[in-house]
Parts: sequence; C-alpha cells; structure tokens
Amino acid sequence: AQSVTQPDIHITVSEGASLELRCNYSYGATPYLFWYVQSPGQGLQLLLKYFSGDTLVQGIKGFEAEFKRSQSSFNLRKPSVHWSDAAEYFCAVGNNAGNMLTFGGGTRLMVKP
Amino acid sequence: AAGVIQSPRHLIKEKRETATLKCYPIPRHDTVYWYQQGPGQDPQFLISFYEKMQSDKGSIPDRFSAQQFSDYHSELNMSSLELGDSALYFCASGVAGRNIQYFGAGTRLSVL
Repeated sequence: AQSVTQPDIHITVSEGASLELRCNYSYGATPYLFWYVQSPGQGLQLLLKYFSGDTLVQGIKGFEAEFKRSQSSFNLRKPSVHWSDAAEYFCAVGNNAGNMLTFGGGTRLMVKP
Repeated sequence: AAGVIQSPRHLIKEKRETATLKCYPIPRHDTVYWYQQGPGQDPQFLISFYEKMQSDKGSIPDRFSAQQFSDYHSELNMSSLELGDSALYFCASGVAGRNIQYFGAGTRLSVL
C-alpha cells in the first residue's frame, strides 16, 4: 500500500527566508509524486509533479522539489518565501493507474513579517 | 481557464437526512475523483469514475453512492447522514493516462 509522511505539522519562517518542506513516501513501484497547496477554505492547487526524468522539478509560484529515490523523499523548496505562501501544503503519491492519490498529513506554513 | 465546479459550496443537513453533491469536471476531462477531508485531516480518496464507469474505490461508506453521467458530471449521494460525515468534499477531474488531478474548491457539508 502506498503512504506519505510529512514529518512537520507546522513550520514558521520569516518572509524572505528559504523554505524546505519534507515529504517521505512509500510505494512499491516508480511513484507519481505531487505537491498541492491549500489556502484556508479553498481547494487544492497543484504546485508541481514528478513522474520520471529529471529529479529536480520546477513548479508554479517559484517552488521546486527534488525526488530522491534512495531516501524515498520528495522535498519541496522555495528560496525566498512571500507572505502569500502561508497555507497548508500536501504531498501526495499517485498509483500507476492514476486512480487515486494518497496524501500526507499536510504541513501548515506560517510566514512571519 | 475553466476549472472543476462543485455545487453547492456549503450544505447544512440534519442527522439521518440525505445530501447530493455535484461535480462538473474541466471540459474534455473523462475522469472524476471524490475525496473527503475531515477537520484537520488530509483528503481521503472515496471513489473515481472513468467514462461513466467506476474505476476505483476507496474508503467510501456503504451509505454513499456516486455516479458519472453522460455529460461527465458526477454526483455523490449521501444517505442517513451522521455527524461524522461533516467534512469538506472535493471533486477532482483529469484525463485518463495523464495521472494529474485538478481539484475543485470543495463542498463543505455540516451535519447537525
């Protein structure tokens, strides 16, 4: 069975500081990996995805993520955080049939001015 | 660009009542997925449809049923509602084989 772990429930960073959100997954085959962002009361917006190829993927809003098979990780990074990045971030793994996503527990990001 | 449309956005029901949630996928998307997100929880997969046929099933209670219609919209029917059904229900749509799901804004169901 596939699973996702996001070790950090809450993270607070100062505006302009760098950010790394951790994600570890468990999946038997080559995973399809995603990061979604959810603002309060809003839906899930896709930030970026990894299917294959280059292990460093670029997404929207200046985010990037690196797939490391040896560590079963897919950490999300941003070099300089903006106040508007405050939200909940979900890492997810998809099965190879593309029928369901399994989400991690989410990391709530707060940004200090 | 057109997004996934869910209606209603908010719904308040009493225990033991029924509820119907609707989802209109992005045009030309052939697959619909339903997720339930309880308070402070991550989204949990309920069920998915491809070309009007159920394609996968997750932790969907027997009291719930869903279908996808000929115009590709989908409805989630929930009966004998319980307090624990209070949650945000997301619909997502995609194109089979592309493995990307685009989410709607969700329907917030409150069961009193």
